[in-house]
Amino acid sequence: EIVLTQSPGTLSLSPGERATLSCRASQSVSSSYVAWYQQKPGQAPRLLIYGASSRATGIPDRFSGSGSGTDFTLTISRLEPEDFAVYYCHQYGSSPQTFGQGTKVEIK
Amino acid sequence: EVQLLESGGGLVQPGGSLRLSCAASGFTFSSYAMSWVRQAPGKGLEWVSVISGGGGTTYYADSVQGRFIISRDNSKNTLYMQMNSLRAEDTAVYYCAKPRLRPSDSFDIWGQGTMVTVSS
Repeated sequence: EIVLTQSPGTLSLSPGERATLSCRASQSVSSSYVAWYQQKPGQAPRLLIYGASSRATGIPDRFSGSGSGTDFTLTISRLEPEDFAVYYCHQYGSSPQTFGQGTKVEIK
Repeated sequence: EVQLLESGGGLVQPGGSLRLSCAASGFTFSSYAMSWVRQAPGKGLEWVSVISGGGGTTYYADSVQGRFIISRDNSKNTLYMQMNSLRAEDTAVYYCAKPRLRPSDSFDIWGQGTMVTVSS
């Protein structure tokens, strides 16, 4: 199975700053089938990005995804107060589909 | 509004059984494969199982293969997970999730989750 490793584990930033989250796969993810989710405490995950770089419906354009092969990135251009949460990457190109362990973006 | 609503979670002893349900509304349920994804307390997400739109094809994570059975009733727009021989490591919030388009796809709709606790 493809193992996804997210870094850093925790990102401490202030509102207005740029956040860069990394997701590295143990092998190439076919067709860039990588998604990113945001999860807040007590809530279900929310789809942000699919296909490595396409924003899901209703997602603000401060969220962007990039990457291919084994290296993928989620960028939040300017952090808003509601963006402080845990973010997960997900590969669905190979079975079994797998998730990264998460990156927590916390207020500095 | 597209919605998924899970139920059936609770406290069960090791070795016991539980059946989870997920009621779907707001979309053509039978047109979509559906998955279960779980999250142990304080941990990340783990895909558990998927069933095709017609119900004829199923896949499981190795961790639950042979113990869990996924099924669906398209006449009732409901997804199920029969969980047998439960272990402490099955303790988690269980989410049902709808893929965006293809059977293997990102999940654009999630339920609110139902908590399963396996403990004596």
